[in-house]
Amino acid sequence: GQNIDQPTEMTATEGAIVQINCTYQTSGFNGLFWYQQHAGEAPTFLSYNVLDGLEEKGRFSSFLSRSKGYSYLLLKELQMKDSASYLCAVRGGSYIPTFGRGTSLIVHP
Amino acid sequence: EAGVAQSPRYKIIEKRQSVAFWCNPISGHATLYWYQQILGQGPKLLIQFQNNGVVDDSQLPKDRFSAERLKGVDSTLKIQPAKLEDSAVYLCASSLLQGAGELFFGEGSRLTVL
Repeated sequence: GQNIDQPTEMTATEGAIVQINCTYQTSGFNGLFWYQQHAGEAPTFLSYNVLDGLEEKGRFSSFLSRSKGYSYLLLKELQMKDSASYLCAVRGGSYIPTFGRGTSLIVHP
Repeated sequence: EAGVAQSPRYKIIEKRQSVAFWCNPISGHATLYWYQQILGQGPKLLIQFQNNGVVDDSQLPKDRFSAERLKGVDSTLKIQPAKLEDSAVYLCASSLLQGAGELFFGEGSRLTVL
């Protein structure tokens, strides 16, 4: 089976940097996704890591360490619109993405 | 490129009634997923199709839930009879290939069971 753990809630200030962590235990590994989900909306794709290291995409970066079963999503220059839930999902040996509970990020002025 | 289409967006029924949700994936996407998302939780996989075949339905409550993808394109998820705990958003997603690339989600169908 798979176990994915991420913090339930985080708060940060507009303009700041925030790091959302995700730890996982899985039998087999075929990639890790980060999705953003605004309240009442569908999840939208942010990033995908399959090899160790940092992937940068604009204000968002995602890091993966397969040996540690660890990933983080880094959000820079936070904006109010970044207030959302951030979902970590792992594609295990079965190739089926399993999602964590999500981290609710609140950005305040 | 059109996204994943789902209907209805909202549905309210009483317990023991039945309901059906429809999904049309992105054109050319072979893999289709149905996820259940209860308020405050992450999406939980119910069933995955590869073309018109079932890849995984281990978490589908088969005594009340059923799903089909007869022609390998559209899919229908049915609940009969519904229970209070079935209140959730039912998300359909598709990907080009199994095991490769990201999932594209539809806007979801929000079910309330009274």
